[in-house]
Amino acid sequence: GESVGLHLPTLSVQEGDNSIINCAYSNSASDYFIWYKQESGKGPQFIIDIRSNMDKRQGQRVTVLLNKTVKHLSLQIAATQPGDSAVYFCAETPDTGRRALTFGSGTRLQVQP
Amino acid sequence: NAGVTQTPKFQVLKTGQSMTLQCAQDMNHNSMYWYRQDPGMGLRLIYYSASEGTTDKGEVPNGYNVSRLNKREFSLRLESAAPSQTSVYFCASSEIVGTYYSNQPQHFGDGTRLSIL
Repeated sequence: GESVGLHLPTLSVQEGDNSIINCAYSNSASDYFIWYKQESGKGPQFIIDIRSNMDKRQGQRVTVLLNKTVKHLSLQIAATQPGDSAVYFCAETPDTGRRALTFGSGTRLQVQP
Repeated sequence: NAGVTQTPKFQVLKTGQSMTLQCAQDMNHNSMYWYRQDPGMGLRLIYYSASEGTTDKGEVPNGYNVSRLNKREFSLRLESAAPSQTSVYFCASSEIVGTYYSNQPQHFGDGTRLSIL
């Protein structure tokens, strides 16, 4: 069936380094993608989104890249800080009129001081 | 701003008991959603309400019912709780923009942690 998945369950980086979290999706009809950050005991927090008519979108210290050819999504975090430690989820909405999200299983980012 | 508020934050039930999880949003969003999150997994959609007066099943609706009480409130009911329903439940809301179902970010509450013995 259709799925959204992540390549790595855990990513450990040094404080100050750049982080890249990857996500693969299988539904070629997906037209909207979101990255969420989830801290322990909290709900998912919106980070950045991108639509299928774009390849790249930048926010504050974060960049999302979308490669529709290989159905790949990535989240880049610049100058990673201890406060960035969390689980990151990618999510997609298929272009079916139903606007609920399909989530991947998440990547845990650990920032080492 | 409160955003999405869920009550209660924690609950322990016995098998067979019933319970309603409450969710309210103050962002004037049209769409609301209920998800469950099991350990080490992403969120799975239980039910959603695209707009006031409508509800639809998601990926895992069995054992649950929902009520869109008004534009602000969307409740989730477990009629006869089972241990398999032990999970963290998240409510979310989002806006509809424009004529088409243009996708907008969903905003989440902090969850209800439910244990069923």
